[in-house]
Amino acid sequence: GQNIDQPTEMTATEGAIVQINCTYQTSGFNGLFWYQQHAGEAPTFLSYNVLDGLEEKGRFSSFLSRSKGYSYLLLKELQMKDSASYLCAVRDLKDYKLSFGAGTTVTVRA
Amino acid sequence: DAGITQSPRYKITETGRQVTLMCHQTWSHSYMFWYRQDLGHGLRLIYYSAAADITDKGEVPDGYVVSRSKTENFPLTLESATRSQTSVYFCASSGTGNEQFFGPGTRLTVL
Repeated sequence: GQNIDQPTEMTATEGAIVQINCTYQTSGFNGLFWYQQHAGEAPTFLSYNVLDGLEEKGRFSSFLSRSKGYSYLLLKELQMKDSASYLCAVRDLKDYKLSFGAGTTVTVRA
Repeated sequence: DAGITQSPRYKITETGRQVTLMCHQTWSHSYMFWYRQDLGHGLRLIYYSAAADITDKGEVPDGYVVSRSKTENFPLTLESATRSQTSVYFCASSGTGNEQFFGPGTRLTVL
């Protein structure tokens, strides 16, 4: 099974940087995903890491360390529209199931 | 329209009634998933399917039944609804097993 932890809430100022950490314990690892979910909407895919290192995609970057069971999502140049919940998810080695963390609610203030 | 759709978007029912939530995708994705989302729990997998006629239990399958006779449809049935099944239900699909695309969700209230 999977045990996934991420902070419940974070607050940051517009234009700043925020780092959302995710730690996991798993019996079999086959990739880590980050999703964004605005209130009342469906989750949307942000990033996918299966190898160690940093993946950059515009203002968003995601990092993975498999040996430490650790990932982070970095949001740069924060905008008001980035206020949302960010979900960390781990894929099982045996199949294509995803296990999600409870999500981190990020509030961007002017 | 192309994509993944769910119906109904909102449903109110009573304890003990049978309810079916529909999910339809137009991409011919092999993988389909049903999640429920509750405050404090995040998304929890109910059932998933790797292909037509292949389904398997997720983390919280009790009280739910699924079928997948066609690749594009993956209905979820609550055989006898309970108040604890009040939740937001999301269907998702994936072609490669990597990125999952989520439907808009069904908000279900069981009175």
